[in-house]
Amino acid sequence: SSELTQDPAVSVALGQRVRITCQGDSLRSYYASWYQQKPGQAPVVVIYGKNNRPSGIPDRFSGSSSGNTASLTITGAQAEDEADYYCNSRDRSGNRVFGGGTKLTVL
Amino acid sequence: EVQLVESGGGLVQPGGSLRLSCAASGFTFSSYEMNWVRQAPGKGLEWVSYISSSGSTIYYADSVKGRFTISRDNAKNSLYLQMNNLRADDTAVYYCAREGLGMGFDYWGQGTLVTVSS
Repeated sequence: SSELTQDPAVSVALGQRVRITCQGDSLRSYYASWYQQKPGQAPVVVIYGKNNRPSGIPDRFSGSSSGNTASLTITGAQAEDEADYYCNSRDRSGNRVFGGGTKLTVL
Repeated sequence: EVQLVESGGGLVQPGGSLRLSCAASGFTFSSYEMNWVRQAPGKGLEWVSYISSSGSTIYYADSVKGRFTISRDNAKNSLYLQMNNLRADDTAVYYCAREGLGMGFDYWGQGTLVTVSS
């Protein structure tokens, strides 16, 4: 089965830009989706497809992809963006897979 | 309003069984692929199983293959997960999640806690 690798923790100063990455072979063929999860809450999708934001997600969230790496960028991080972020994709067998998650701290 | 409501979680002994349900409302359930995703305490998200809109295509994570069975009843707008031969490492919050076409997991339930312990 395929795997997606994320950095366990990332920090960013308030108002600055931060990039969270996700690496995996399946990303060469399939887009990643990105999820934000705050303590005690269900995950919420923030980016899907090439670079699409669901309704209600601020435009400071954006996504990109190159080769085997997908990235979630937050431009102008806010205190409320402090959360765990997970990438997700699928492999050729149809299995879905999540990255291990990145804990974002906003300083 | 799209709603997914899980039920059926609880405390079960190792080797036991449990059946989770997910009641869907606010959308045409029969048109959407569905998944179960779990999260062990303090850990990350783990995909468990997928079922196509018609139920004809099913996938499982290696960690649950042969022990868990996903199913759906489109007439009842419900998704199920039959879990057999449960182990301590199956302890987790189990979420049902709708998979929008090309949109990832666009709606999630609130989750139901399964605890496997003697």
